[in-house]
Amino acid sequence: KQEVTQIPAALSVPEGENLVLNCSFTDSAIYNLQWFRQDPGKGLTSLLLIQSSQREQTSGRLNASLDKSSGRSTLYIAASQPGDSATYLCAVNPQGGSEKLVFGKGTKLTVNP
Amino acid sequence: NAGVMQNPRHLVRRRGQEARLRCSPMKGHSHVYWYRQLPEEGLKFMVYLQKENIIDESGMPKERFSAEFPKEGPSILRIQQVVRGDSAAYFCASSPRQTRQGASNGYTFGSGTRLTVV
Repeated sequence: KQEVTQIPAALSVPEGENLVLNCSFTDSAIYNLQWFRQDPGKGLTSLLLIQSSQREQTSGRLNASLDKSSGRSTLYIAASQPGDSATYLCAVNPQGGSEKLVFGKGTKLTVNP
Repeated sequence: NAGVMQNPRHLVRRRGQEARLRCSPMKGHSHVYWYRQLPEEGLKFMVYLQKENIIDESGMPKERFSAEFPKEGPSILRIQQVVRGDSAAYFCASSPRQTRQGASNGYTFGSGTRLTVV
């Protein structure tokens, strides 16, 4: 059974700092991995999607890496801003799982001005 | 090109009433998924539907919950005889036709319906 773990559960940093969020999954048989952002009381916004054949994806100040063999992904946020404060969710799309995503519980990020 | 539309945004029901949650997928998306987020928990898969077909309902509770995606109109998640434990945020997502390998090109989520049972 696929399980996704995100560490840390919460993170507080000063504005301008670079930071890394971690995601691990137990079964490397995945199609892809996706990072989402969730603001309080809101829906999910897709940030980056990494296919299983890829090693990383970049969008602006965000960079996500994928090491499928070790079951790990990281989300790197450069020069953090208060507007980055949100919960970041990692989700994998397991092979043979009819495309349902398996989510971690998220990392709640607070960027202090 | 509107995104995934869910309504209502907030829904309050008394114990024993029925709750109906609606989801209209993005234009051109033929796959719909429902997820539930309990307080302080991650999102959990409930059901995967295509038009007029339930593909995977392995995450649906066996009783009181049902889902449909008719040929015309939105997908509906229906909860009968709601209980306090049904209070949660319910999210709908859609994706385009899957690739031959079975992998989606990524989901687009709606803003969710927050159900409160009093």
